[in-house]
Formats: sequence, structure tokens, C-alpha cells
Amino acid sequence: GQQVMQIPQYQHVQEGEDFTTYCNSSTTLSNIQWYKQRPGGHPVFLIQLVKSGEVKKQKRLTFQFGEAKKNSSLHITATQTTDVGTYFCAGAAGGTSYGKLTFGQGTILTVHP
Amino acid sequence: NAGVTQTPKFRILKIGQSMTLQCTQDMNHNYMYWYRQDPGMGLKLIYYSVGAGITDKGEVPNGYNVSRSTTEDFPLRLELAAPSQTSVYFCASSYGTGSYYEQYFGPGTRLTVT
Repeated sequence: GQQVMQIPQYQHVQEGEDFTTYCNSSTTLSNIQWYKQRPGGHPVFLIQLVKSGEVKKQKRLTFQFGEAKKNSSLHITATQTTDVGTYFCAGAAGGTSYGKLTFGQGTILTVHP
Repeated sequence: NAGVTQTPKFRILKIGQSMTLQCTQDMNHNYMYWYRQDPGMGLKLIYYSVGAGITDKGEVPNGYNVSRSTTEDFPLRLELAAPSQTSVYFCASSYGTGSYYEQYFGPGTRLTVT
């Protein structure tokens, strides 16, 4: 079945440093979604990428979808303590997948003030 | 709108007991999902539903059952609880008939089986 791998598993940064997490799928995706989960909380949708090579920005966050639609990345510029949490990518196979997502294992981001 | 609500928030079960995790959404979403999240892991899909009366298995369905009699409710039943079912359970819902819609998650149920 479809597998989505995410690296790194953990990332510790000083406030103000940049952060990147990478996501790779074993199969071509129809789209990829990114979610953030604060400690003790539930996943919250950040963004969806659909097109090959797509790049989207949300303030300090930059999301990219690979040309082959099998990989993606999330980059945070100048991290802040509010960025703390786990970032998940989730791939959708499309077609008759009925919105099912395959989640990566997540990257836990710690930001030291 | 309350969004997606789940009850209970916490529960401790003894091995062999059964329970139902409740999930309700008030957004009139067609699609609903049940996930489990083990420590340090991503979310694994247990069951999903594309509408009232229609359910199907996800990646890890063994030991669970679901039903969907209304658009709003999607309960998850655990029969004969086992320690391996200790996890955090999230219910989610999504509007639309394809993959291009975000999922809205409930606050989760933290279940311990001892």
C-alpha cells in the first residue's frame, strides 16, 4: 500500500533559526496536505498542494510539491516559540480514494527561546 | 458551529471490556474518518464513511467496528479491548466527494487498556 515517509523525526532549533521537514511518498499523489498538531492537541489543517511543482506561502511558512508529485517540503523561516508542535504531511491517492489520507509519522519541532 | 466533537475525552478500560467512542459533527460533512495515533507516530486510518449507511475499512480495522446511521454521527466500537488498543483516537470529517478537501479533527479520546 501507499507509504509516506517524513524526516526528520525530531528537530530542535533556537528561536530565529529556520526549519525544514521533508515528505516522500512511495506512489504518485493527487495532492498533499499539511497539518500541525500542538502538544496535547489535535491536527489542524495548514494547506493543500495539488499541482506539480506548486509552491505556496503562508507568512513565514513555505510549502512545496515536487515535480513528480511524490515529495513535498515545509520550510519555516525564523522560527518562533508559537511554531512548536508536530508537523504532518498527508498524501491523497486521488481517484476513488474517498478522501483517504496517508499520514507521515510527523516531525516534532521544539523551539528554544 | 461546534465542529467535530468526541466523547469521552479520557477512558481507562480493562482487558476484555468493550466501549463506544462517540463522534458528532455539525458541518453537514459527507465524509467521516476514525484514526488512531500512537506515541511518536502518525495517524493510522481505522474506518471511514462516505455517507450515512456506508462505511469501509481503513488501514488498521481489526478489533473495531463502526456504523453511520446519520450524517452527523460516526461512533467507533471497541470489542474485547486489548492493551494494543491503547492510543489516542481522533475522529475527523470532510466536505465533498474527493480528496481535495481538508479534514477537520475532533479533540480526541485518550484510551488506556490495562
